[in-house]
Amino acid sequence: EVQLVESGGGLVKPGGSLRLSCEASGFTFSNPWMTWVRQAPGKGLEWVGRIKSKSDGGTTDYAAPVKGRFTISRDDSKNTLYLQMNSLKTEDTAVYYCTTDGHYDFSSGPGYFDLWGRGTLVTVSS
Amino acid sequence: QSALTQPASVSGSPGQSITISCTGTSSDVGGYNYVSWYQQHPGKAPKVMIYDVSNRPSGVSDRFSGSKSGNTASLTISGLQAEDEADYYCSSYTSSSTYVFGTGTKVTV
Repeated sequence: EVQLVESGGGLVKPGGSLRLSCEASGFTFSNPWMTWVRQAPGKGLEWVGRIKSKSDGGTTDYAAPVKGRFTISRDDSKNTLYLQMNSLKTEDTAVYYCTTDGHYDFSSGPGYFDLWGRGTLVTVSS
Repeated sequence: QSALTQPASVSGSPGQSITISCTGTSSDVGGYNYVSWYQQHPGKAPKVMIYDVSNRPSGVSDRFSGSKSGNTASLTISGLQAEDEADYYCSSYTSSSTYVFGTGTKVTV
């Protein structure tokens, strides 16, 4: 089955760190660019950042609110995407989704978010 | 990067057509054809309904269609059905090599 499964969410104090993981299965993980999107409780979707495939340079881009605090990486040998979150703020509280940037088999895209995980909740609170 | 502007809510009766607008700038919607639309039911992950302005992924009903004119993109749902009741978000690539989502529209059938 083609799927993405996020893990690593939980409760963390302001200023703390957390690392999220997203394990892919059912497709060749090294092909698509990968993205993190978050959604604060009762709010809209917010793009967090993206990592390109190794064949396209493996470079990253981030949204302004998380730049310098969050780092996206990927381990294609483990079919896993990561989001390292440092210096967390209360406004980072959200469900974090991983998604492919373009079709998961890279037959189209990038430019849109095709395959989504179910998300993992991160709560930043003292 | 400010969120793209969508109406907060749109409603229609079963069988009718509705259109949701998504307004940005020349640095996002107006500058690229990487506009996509997502449907999200409560407690669920979003699902792509339209990509590259007007393309439908395999498995998405042809009742959903997309278009763009200048800095405004639109999603039209024809033959409205009860299962279409959900939140809808647009998204666009931007000149900063990032993406921006719309503010979201609640569709009521």
